[in-house]
Amino acid sequence: DAKTTQPPSMDCAEGRAANLPCNHSTISGNEYVYWYRQIHSQGPQYIIHGLKNNETNEMASLIITEDRKSSTLILPHATLRDTAVYYCIALLYNRKLIWGLGTSLAVNP
Amino acid sequence: EAQVTQNPRYLITVTGKKLTVTCSQNMNHEYMSWYRQDPGLGLRQIYYSMNVEVTDKGDVPEGYKVSRKEKRNFPLILESPSPNQTSLYFCASSSADTQYFGPGTRLTVL
Repeated sequence: DAKTTQPPSMDCAEGRAANLPCNHSTISGNEYVYWYRQIHSQGPQYIIHGLKNNETNEMASLIITEDRKSSTLILPHATLRDTAVYYCIALLYNRKLIWGLGTSLAVNP
Repeated sequence: EAQVTQNPRYLITVTGKKLTVTCSQNMNHEYMSWYRQDPGLGLRQIYYSMNVEVTDKGDVPEGYKVSRKEKRNFPLILESPSPNQTSLYFCASSSADTQYFGPGTRLTVL
């Protein structure tokens, strides 16, 4: 499975868009990019995933570069409740997730 | 409501005293798994199950057992817990493209 690289921490002002980057330069053609988040020590929560097209749902948007070596998770209007650790994971479509340490996002009032 | 439940949520025990952490899901998923989360190490998979009576080791299976006698339940068994198994444990249940996690069990082994 491809290794992902994320910045350890980021800040964002409440109401502004939060753009969380992820590098996955070794991703293969059939590996998906998944994003999860974990609020404090709760169970991780699924956000979004994609293969090569950009994706959007009620929580976020996922932008994947054309060469698929990086992606960006966008929270369009961050709130204080979006403060969490965000994990970017690349994996085969076999449901095993290999977790890195993620990005700790602090949304500030 | 679709959910994964774990019990207990918190447990303090002593070395060598067998314990079981239960996990149950109501989504009729075939795939279930157990993770542990430790500071600086992230989440690591302990065991997973592709279906009833089908289980396999994950990345850190030593000291753990699992069983899958019915689809909804996937208990994690520590036959002889040791202090290095002090951790935060998560059970997960998977649809075709999404994993749903339980609320976690914080285990302390003295």
